[in-house]
Amino acid sequence: GQNIDQPTEMTATEGAIVQINCTYQTSGFNGLFWYQQHAGEAPTFLSYNVLDGLEEKGRFSSFLSRSKGYSYLLLKELQMKDSASYLCAVIKAGKLIFGQGTTLQVKP
Amino acid sequence: GAGVSQSPSNKVTEKGKDVELRCDPISGHTALYWYRQSLGQGLEFLIYFQGNSAPDKSGLPSDRFSAERTGGSVSTLTIQRTQQEDSAVYLCASSWVLAGGDNEQFFGPGTRLTVL
Repeated sequence: GQNIDQPTEMTATEGAIVQINCTYQTSGFNGLFWYQQHAGEAPTFLSYNVLDGLEEKGRFSSFLSRSKGYSYLLLKELQMKDSASYLCAVIKAGKLIFGQGTTLQVKP
Repeated sequence: GAGVSQSPSNKVTEKGKDVELRCDPISGHTALYWYRQSLGQGLEFLIYFQGNSAPDKSGLPSDRFSAERTGGSVSTLTIQRTQQEDSAVYLCASSWVLAGGDNEQFFGPGTRLTVL
């Protein structure tokens, strides 16, 4: 199988930093994506990691370690609008294989 | 400059009926994907079209599901003899496909299918 595991729910405070973890048990994938999905809306692209290490993009950073089967998405300076689901997905033979997603609630 | 569009946005049907869901990808994107998102579940891959190649149908859950992509653009996902477990949001995505790369997939707003 290609299990991709994420926490189901997380809560954080406005202005804080939150780390959403993603672990996977698959090999031979090309890269790992993070998408954001607000309720009732389409997923939108956040980041893509091919090589091990950290990719930074404004308030959002994503990290990949292939040897550990692990990725995380780091959100800094949280804003209320960051309340959404965050989807981890590996890409293999052109297809995205998603985890269940993590629903993040940002509180004032 | 339109994104991926899908129609209808909502579809309610009776068990046993056939439904067709439409996807208009971003102009020029050579790859088109269908995914399904059931309540409380992650996105599940259904089918993938790339250019003129034979589609990857490995994610279709049963032979009641089929999809076509005409003229390398618009795609239709057909579900025959719908069942209640087919109720989900069906999402379409499209992307460029460049040699050696895995490219960002742009998602449409989805079609929410409810089978009564």
